[in-house]
Amino acid sequence: DTAVSQTPKYLVTQMGNDKSIKCEQNLGHDTMYWYKQDSKKFLKIMFSYNNKELIINETVPNRFSPKSPDKAHLNLHINSLELGDSAVYFCASSLGLGLGEKLFFGSGTQLSVL
Amino acid sequence: SQKIEQNSEALNIQEGKTATLTCNYTNYSPAYLQWYRQDPGRGPVFLLLIRENEKEKRKERLKVTFDTTLKQSLFHITASQPADSATYLCAPLRGGSQGNLIFGKGTKLSVKP
Repeated sequence: DTAVSQTPKYLVTQMGNDKSIKCEQNLGHDTMYWYKQDSKKFLKIMFSYNNKELIINETVPNRFSPKSPDKAHLNLHINSLELGDSAVYFCASSLGLGLGEKLFFGSGTQLSVL
Repeated sequence: SQKIEQNSEALNIQEGKTATLTCNYTNYSPAYLQWYRQDPGRGPVFLLLIRENEKEKRKERLKVTFDTTLKQSLFHITASQPADSATYLCAPLRGGSQGNLIFGKGTKLSVKP
């Protein structure tokens, strides 16, 4: 049983397209996140949701829109894809927002924009 | 601005030796710091957490120290094995945030048999 699963694993698309990445966790966690890992391997937070409520929204272009239909799911929709969006996107979850909560990550979605 | 530096991009050691990875942070004092392991094509996996009032934490062959004066955490793997080869990420809590970690770039450890 995969704790945090995201689909697709690979996504290759043309500039200007719109795409979505889905994430689901079966851990019963309240908090979910989207992270971006660029070519230099820095892992940066994009968004976090707690019980479907947006908590963190980093300086991410508004072409990126997260959606949490319930606390087990956090999807990421990206409009008008650009070359610079190419990266690996990781979904993660944690029990809650308490200090010291460890993150459980999905296996990543490698997005390539051509 | 708050910065995290993991000094070595890569570290090569011989099997059986102790690997020591360094994480330095500047311009703030995190309440805690986590270490993660990342294998190629996979997401990071949590290893250890250490709080600012703890000097040292151990788990099996892993040991983490936290020196708030030096603003540094050291991550040790004793009796290293080829299976320990991976990238190790340091992740202090970001100052002024609620559960928001800042991740270092990671150190890629290679353990040769």
